[in-house]
Amino acid sequence: GDSVTQMEGPVTLSEEAFLTINCTYTATGYPSLFWYVQYPGEGLQLLLKATKADDKGSNKGFEATYRKETTSFHLEKGSVQVSDSAVYFCALSSFRSNDYKLSFGAGTTVTVRA
Amino acid sequence: GAGVSQSPSNKVTEKGKDVELRCDPISGHTALYWYRQSLGQGLEFLIYFQGNSAPDKSGLPSDRFSAERTGGSVSTLTIQRTQQEDSAVYLCASSLGREEQFFGPGTRLTVL
Repeated sequence: GDSVTQMEGPVTLSEEAFLTINCTYTATGYPSLFWYVQYPGEGLQLLLKATKADDKGSNKGFEATYRKETTSFHLEKGSVQVSDSAVYFCALSSFRSNDYKLSFGAGTTVTVRA
Repeated sequence: GAGVSQSPSNKVTEKGKDVELRCDPISGHTALYWYRQSLGQGLEFLIYFQGNSAPDKSGLPSDRFSAERTGGSVSTLTIQRTQQEDSAVYLCASSLGREEQFFGPGTRLTVL
């Protein structure tokens, strides 16, 4: 079945450091890929998405490129801020026969120190 | 407009009791999902409703879990004879078909 594997955390960085969170997936067909973020005390919200190979999703300075050849969707940000401290989840949806449920990775906790 | 709402925000119950968790999706969203977030299992899919189609119950962990969606809107997740391993945050999400899923704040369930 569909599955997502993401980098284990926690990750602790200083402000303005470069952040990468690795994510790889297993799925049949051509899934859509997502990064969701959960800020402290808040609900899950979509950070970015990509729906086909070589697409790049971007939002709030974060980027991720859909790499079909390596089945990966790594999240990157060039210069993190304290406000980026959160739990990040990689997810996929195969959209098979009207099945839109998301399969999530385990989540990576990121803490950015001033 | 209003987002996805869930109630209660917190629920503490004793082992063996039944609980009902409620989800109000965004108005007009045709799809509704329940997920569970727990320390040992991460975020896992439970059940999915799409329009008038039969729900996808493939993620329900046991027959103690059930859910319904009345009138294509509000949904209730029921857990019968709760066990300590049911303790988790239960998340509801809704979407307009295959578009972005919007998540509610969750219900934190603690089974003593």
